[in-house]
Amino acid sequence: AQSVTQLDSQVPVFEEAPVELRCNYSSSVSVYLFWYVQYPNQGLQLLLKYLSGSTLVESINGFEAEFNKSQTSFHLRKPSVHISDTAEYFCAVSAPGAGSYQLTFGKGTKLSVIP
Amino acid sequence: GAGVSQSPRYKVTKRGQDVTLRCDPISSHATLYWYQQALGQGPEFLTYFNYEAQPDKSGLPSDRFSAERPEGSISTLTIQRTEQRDSAMYRCASSSGSGRGGTGELFFGEGSRLTVL
Repeated sequence: AQSVTQLDSQVPVFEEAPVELRCNYSSSVSVYLFWYVQYPNQGLQLLLKYLSGSTLVESINGFEAEFNKSQTSFHLRKPSVHISDTAEYFCAVSAPGAGSYQLTFGKGTKLSVIP
Repeated sequence: GAGVSQSPRYKVTKRGQDVTLRCDPISSHATLYWYQQALGQGPEFLTYFNYEAQPDKSGLPSDRFSAERPEGSISTLTIQRTEQRDSAMYRCASSSGSGRGGTGELFFGEGSRLTVL
């Protein structure tokens, strides 16, 4: 079984400041890692994912995450946030070798960008 | 359809009533998932379908919960004799992957928020 820990439930940050949202996972098998974002009044949507290959993955809106196997982490970073980044961010893990892409989610981190 | 559609968006019911939630996935997607998200928590897996087959329903919290996808497309989640603890957002997602195929990306609907009084 897998589990995901997002230690920060809320992160306030000023506009144009950098931000890091932390995610740690535990699993006894190889995993795929994801960050999903939920904007107000919308459904969850994929922000970025790590399946294999380069451990640094990027999204189209400037977020990046680095898979660190030794630290079992997949922290999400952005060097300069915008008001529009205000949302709830969920880290998730799946173990495709088990036969499905069932995702295990963390509890989420609410990012509030302050003008 | 173009995206995953769920209905109703909001449902308020009295304890003891039965509730059925509906999910219409992306038309080309073989796999469909149901998740339950309580307030302040992340989504938790309930069950999934590969077409009409339901290989895993280990996440269903009790036998009051059941799901169907009889023709491998639209799915329903039914909660019988609802209890206050069933109050949550119920999220449906679909993916093109079937079993070990695909990229692992799930496409979510906007969810159905259930309130049991």
